[in-house]
Amino acid sequence: GQNIDQPTEMTATEGAIVQINCTYQTSGFNGLFWYQQHAGEAPTFLSYNVLDGLEEKGRFSSFLSRSKGYSYLLLKELQMKDSASYLCAVRSYAGNNRKLIWGLGTSLAVNP
Amino acid sequence: EAGVVQSPRYKIIEKKQPVAFWCNPISGHNTLYWYLQNLGQGPELLIRYENEEAVDDSQLPKDRFSAERLKGVDSTLKIQPAELGDSAVYLCASSLGDASTDTQYFGPGTRLTVL
Repeated sequence: GQNIDQPTEMTATEGAIVQINCTYQTSGFNGLFWYQQHAGEAPTFLSYNVLDGLEEKGRFSSFLSRSKGYSYLLLKELQMKDSASYLCAVRSYAGNNRKLIWGLGTSLAVNP
Repeated sequence: EAGVVQSPRYKIIEKKQPVAFWCNPISGHNTLYWYLQNLGQGPELLIRYENEEAVDDSQLPKDRFSAERLKGVDSTLKIQPAELGDSAVYLCASSLGDASTDTQYFGPGTRLTVL
């Protein structure tokens, strides 16, 4: 089957660094996305990884290991506005059909 | 550039009533998605369009849900009749539909409450 696991909740302190992990089991892997979703708002795109390694974008970085079925999102210099849900999504191909399989999201609370 | 537009933002109806949601994707985006999201869950795909063709509607409850994208741009999602369990946020997303990144961009969603 196809499955994505990420922690339900995490707490961190303003100014700190937090790492949100995502493990997946899918067939036809073709990329992994991270989205941020504030309460009551739509998901917004953060990052995309299709090759192994680290992609850095400002305070946010995303890492992928395809052989381990593992990704993480690293948030540096945390700010209060980073309190949100972080969704991991894996794109999977099956024949001509491509699907985006979503995790349940990790709710991050940043405390002062 | 304008993002994905959805309306209404909120809708409250009584069970057994019909309801419709409208979506205007980002200009030039060929692929359009309708998702359902419950609190604390990830989005669940209902239907995916490539231009005006529904290429994946396997998760759409066709007894009560219908969708259309007549000219390959705007789309409408309808529920008739609505049930209590349909209360959720309905998200529309669009993407270029290219074979590379094909990042999906979401609209603000319609929060549906069925009483």
